Amino acid sequence: EAGVTQFPSHSVIEKGQTVTLRCDPISGHDNLYWYRRVMGKEIKFLLHFVKESKQDESGMPNNRFLAERTGGTYSTLKVQPAELEDSGVYFCASSQDGNRGTIYFGEGSWLTVV
Amino acid sequence: DAKTTQPTSMDCAEGRAANLPCNHSTISGNEYVYWYRQIHSQGPQYIIHGLKNNETNEMASLIITEDRKSSTLILPHATLRDTAVYYCIVRPDTSGTYKYIFGTGTRLKVLA
Repeated sequence: EAGVTQFPSHSVIEKGQTVTLRCDPISGHDNLYWYRRVMGKEIKFLLHFVKESKQDESGMPNNRFLAERTGGTYSTLKVQPAELEDSGVYFCASSQDGNRGTIYFGEGSWLTVV
Repeated sequence: DAKTTQPTSMDCAEGRAANLPCNHSTISGNEYVYWYRQIHSQGPQYIIHGLKNNETNEMASLIITEDRKSSTLILPHATLRDTAVYYCIVRPDTSGTYKYIFGTGTRLKVLA
C-alpha cells in the first residue's frame, strides 16, 4: 500500500513567486492534514480536511496560504506570494478516521524562498 | 490538550535498550499518549500509542504509569538506525482530529 506522497520534494523559488505543493493521501483516508516546520521552530499544525471540507484551518499563518482538496482526494497548498519566512518543510499526513487510530506522514516538501 | 515534557537529548549504546521518558502530568482521562520519531529530515514516523495499559508492537513498548502522568518509550535493542528525534504527544480520543502539538522532542543518539 502506497503511503502519503508529496510533490515536489524540494523547491527553490524567489520571494514574491508562487509555489504549489501537492499531497496524495493514503487511499481511502478521508482525513488529510498539513503541518510545517520553519527554520528553528517546532512542527506546527496548519489545517485539517475531512474529505473536501476544511475541518480546522486555525493553524494557517495568513491569507497568502491557500489549501484545497477538490473531490476529497489529493490536496494542494499554495503559497502566494512567497516570503522568506515561509522557508521550511511542509508535511502532509492522512488518517482513516479522526479518533482511535493514528495519522501517517509523508516525507515532506522542502521549500526554500530566496 | 495536555503538554508534554521530554529530555532534550539522550545517548544509548547500540544493542542496549533505549528508555525515553515523557512527562504529561496534566493529562486528562480520555487523552492518549502517542509517540512519533523523525529520522534526519524525513516525515514523522508513527511508533506506538496507548491510553492506560502498556502496549507493545514490533517497534517498541510503551509503559504508562498508573496515574498516567508519565510514560516511557522503550526500544528494546537500539540500532544505529534508531538515531532520531522522538516526540511524545497527548491527544483526546474524542477530538475527531489529529491536531498534534509537537514539542522539541528528545534527540536520541545511538552509539556504536
